[in-house]
Amino acid sequence: AQSVSQHNHHVILSEAASLELGCNYSYGGTVNLFWYVQYPGQHLQLLLKYFSGDPLVKGIKGFEAEFIKSKFSFNLRKPSVQWSDTAEYFCAVRAGGNQGGKLIFGQGTELSVKP
Amino acid sequence: NAGVTQTPKFRILKIGQSMTLQCTQDMNHNYMYWYRQDPGMGLKLIYYSVGAGITDKGEVPNGYNVSRSTTEDFPLRLELAAPSQTSVYFCASSYRTSGGTEQYFGPGTRLTVT
Repeated sequence: AQSVSQHNHHVILSEAASLELGCNYSYGGTVNLFWYVQYPGQHLQLLLKYFSGDPLVKGIKGFEAEFIKSKFSFNLRKPSVQWSDTAEYFCAVRAGGNQGGKLIFGQGTELSVKP
Repeated sequence: NAGVTQTPKFRILKIGQSMTLQCTQDMNHNYMYWYRQDPGMGLKLIYYSVGAGITDKGEVPNGYNVSRSTTEDFPLRLELAAPSQTSVYFCASSYRTSGGTEQYFGPGTRLTVT
């Protein structure tokens, strides 16, 4: 069965620190990859997505992610975090050609940024 | 466009009661989904629909039912509420499965069963 694993459950950083959140998936075929963010009390919003082409994708608010096919990974990065980045981050995978477009989500990583 | 809307925002149910969570999208998306979110567990797919009149089970369908009579609406029904169904429920929609489209999420319904 497909699965998505996020390595860190809770990350605490100071403002201006660099961020990297790990995401690994288990599926051998073509995949579409997503990072969603959920700010406190709000619904999920798309940060960035990868479907094909350049494995380094840039999203909103200075976030980027790199797809490394050989490692089945799609880690999220940001060079300098801000207090407003405090939120929960979810990695999600959709198997290519998946009937119904179902997403498999990771467990989520809670990011707390101290001012 | 309002996007994906859900009602109610909050609800408290007693064990054994039933209720319907409403979900509507105005983006003419053909695919719709229901997820539940529990702390430390991410989102789990309950049911999904690829178009009006077509529904299918996701990872955790037990205790729930859905219908899709129109493109816009995808209600989720709890027939006999149980404490294990205490969760936050999110509805989502997408236009198609290939070509690079993502799912758009509603604001969620927080349900407590006591």
